[in-house]
Amino acid sequence: KQEVTQIPAALSVPEGENLVLNCSFTDSAIYNLQWFRQDPGKGLTSLLLIQSSQREQTSGRLNASLDKSSGRSTLYIAASQPGDSATYLCAVRPSHNNAGNMLTFGGGTRLMVKP
Amino acid sequence: EAGVTQFPSHSVIEKGQTVTLRCDPISGHDNLYWYRRVMGKEIKFLLHFVKESKQDESGMPNNRFLAERTGGTYSTLKVQPAELEDSGVYFCASSLQGLTEAFFGQGTRLTVV
Repeated sequence: KQEVTQIPAALSVPEGENLVLNCSFTDSAIYNLQWFRQDPGKGLTSLLLIQSSQREQTSGRLNASLDKSSGRSTLYIAASQPGDSATYLCAVRPSHNNAGNMLTFGGGTRLMVKP
Repeated sequence: EAGVTQFPSHSVIEKGQTVTLRCDPISGHDNLYWYRRVMGKEIKFLLHFVKESKQDESGMPNNRFLAERTGGTYSTLKVQPAELEDSGVYFCASSLQGLTEAFFGQGTRLTVV
């Protein structure tokens, strides 16, 4: 059974810092991994999708890496801004045909960027 | 292009009542998923539709939950009768194909009192 863990659960940093959010998963047989952002009371916004064959994906100040064999992904945020404050979630999709294709989510990292 | 839309955004009902949540996926997305997050827990999968067919309902907690997707467009999730532990945020997501990027709605916050 796939389990996804995100560390830290909460993070508070001053504006301008570069930061790394961690995601680990127990079953390396994944098809892809997706990072989401959730603002309070809002839905999930997809940030980056990494296929299992890829090592990283970049979008603006965000860079997500994937090391499938070790069951780890990181989300790097460069030059953080107060507007980056949100909960960041990672989720993996299994590659086994009999495992369905639902996403398994981590608990999220709640990020606060202070001005 | 409209994203995934969910109605209502909030619902407060009494224990024992019935509630129906609705999800309108992105137009053209055959795959529709329901997830939920109960207090303090991770977001968990409930079920997956491909068009109007239930592909996987392994996450449905019990038979008080009934999901439908008539005509393969919008979907409803009915909880009958609602219990206190059903309180949480119910998310709907859709994707073009089964293994492609999933887009989520804003969620329905359900409170059972």
